[in-house]
Amino acid sequence: GENVEQHPSTLSVQEGDSAVIKCTYSDSASNYFPWYKQELGKRPQLIIDIRSNVGEKKDQRIAVTLNKTAKHFSLHITETQPEDSAVYFCAASIDTPLVFGKGTRLSVIA
Amino acid sequence: NAGVTQTPKFRILKIGQSMTLQCTQDMNHNYMYWYRQDPGMGLKLIYYSVGAGITDKGEVPNGYNVSRSTTEDFPLRLELAAPSQTSVYFCASSYGGRDTEAFFGQGTRLTVV
Repeated sequence: GENVEQHPSTLSVQEGDSAVIKCTYSDSASNYFPWYKQELGKRPQLIIDIRSNVGEKKDQRIAVTLNKTAKHFSLHITETQPEDSAVYFCAASIDTPLVFGKGTRLSVIA
Repeated sequence: NAGVTQTPKFRILKIGQSMTLQCTQDMNHNYMYWYRQDPGMGLKLIYYSVGAGITDKGEVPNGYNVSRSTTEDFPLRLELAAPSQTSVYFCASSYGGRDTEAFFGQGTRLTVV
């Protein structure tokens, strides 16, 4: 089955700097790669996703890139703000269900 | 729309007790899932369903059972609770196919003592 590895497990950045979280997946047939944000004590919520026919997608300060050949995808957050502090999960799937990485705890230091 | 609703939000069980975690969604989604979240371990799939009457095992199904008699409801049953089942449980749903965004419930924090 699919296996998703996520790095780093923790990340601290200064407010205004950029943050990058990387994930690799094992199944070359996977075609859907979402990123979820989970604030403390809350449910995971989708922030951005990308499909295998697209190499990059951007939504304001958040972008995701996908390298199908290398089987890895990354989340980029620019101009980080304190409210970006949360746990971020990547996931991969062949349509459904999602297989999640172990998460990255991002701390944005004001 | 209420989205995905889970009950209860918190529960403490004694070893050997049983309970059912309830999950209902009002988005007419075909697919429903149960995940457990342990600290630092991400979300692991317990069971999922692609429609009423159809369920399948995920990565960590032992100690759990599910049923899906309606599109809206997907309860998770814990039989003979063990300390290893202490976790936060999330129910989720999605329309399915290429429209695969999963919507999560607010979670159930279960402690087995």
